[in-house]
Amino acid sequence: EVQLVESGGGLVQPGGSLRLSCAASGFTFSSYSMNWVRQAPGKGLEWVSYISSSSSTIYYADSVKGRFTISRDNAKNSLYLQMNSLRAEDTAVYYCAREVRRGIVVRKWFDPWGQGTLVTVSS
Amino acid sequence: DIQLTQSPSFLSASVGDRVTITCRASQGISSYLAWYQQKPGKAPKLLIYAASTLQSGVPSRFSGSGSGTEFTLTISSLQPEDFATYYCQQLNSYPPWTFGQGTKVEIK
Repeated sequence: EVQLVESGGGLVQPGGSLRLSCAASGFTFSSYSMNWVRQAPGKGLEWVSYISSSSSTIYYADSVKGRFTISRDNAKNSLYLQMNSLRAEDTAVYYCAREVRRGIVVRKWFDPWGQGTLVTVSS
Repeated sequence: DIQLTQSPSFLSASVGDRVTITCRASQGISSYLAWYQQKPGKAPKLLIYAASTLQSGVPSRFSGSGSGTEFTLTISSLQPEDFATYYCQQLNSYPPWTFGQGTKVEIK
């Protein structure tokens, strides 16, 4: 079964740091690009960051650029998100999601998603 | 960045109704669009990719259409388990991969 399991969320003070992890199983992790997506309480989905299969290409949303760092360890089938200088507006459930690409004309989508881990930034 | 606007943001419907949700992109995205369903407290679930391809295991009452800047998700006969929030997502060329603001489907 293809599965993603996030961990590492919790309560942190403004300005603090937290490292999220996403453990992958049931597929060849090193062959897929991965993403982090977040959802603030009662709000919609916001894409946060992307990392290619070899870590050679990385993107961030403007809202987290310079504060968050995405990384992966293909030997451990794991994805990470290091979050520094956290703000109240970073409070959200953070999901990791596999990016699937298929076709000669490449189509892309996210599947599956992990169950999410809640990050709360508050004093 | 490409913006996605869903309409309506909320709809109230009855079991058996035909439901259509629209997603409009701020610029052409070919067919690089996916639809997801999210139930309270759960992760989003892929329904449709490449604008119109049904994900394996998803009931055939769900369908998607469109290309360029206008897309639709249709549920042909709404079932009790379909009450949820639906999101479109564009994956044209390279990130940011933006989402629509969501459409909440509730029971009338």
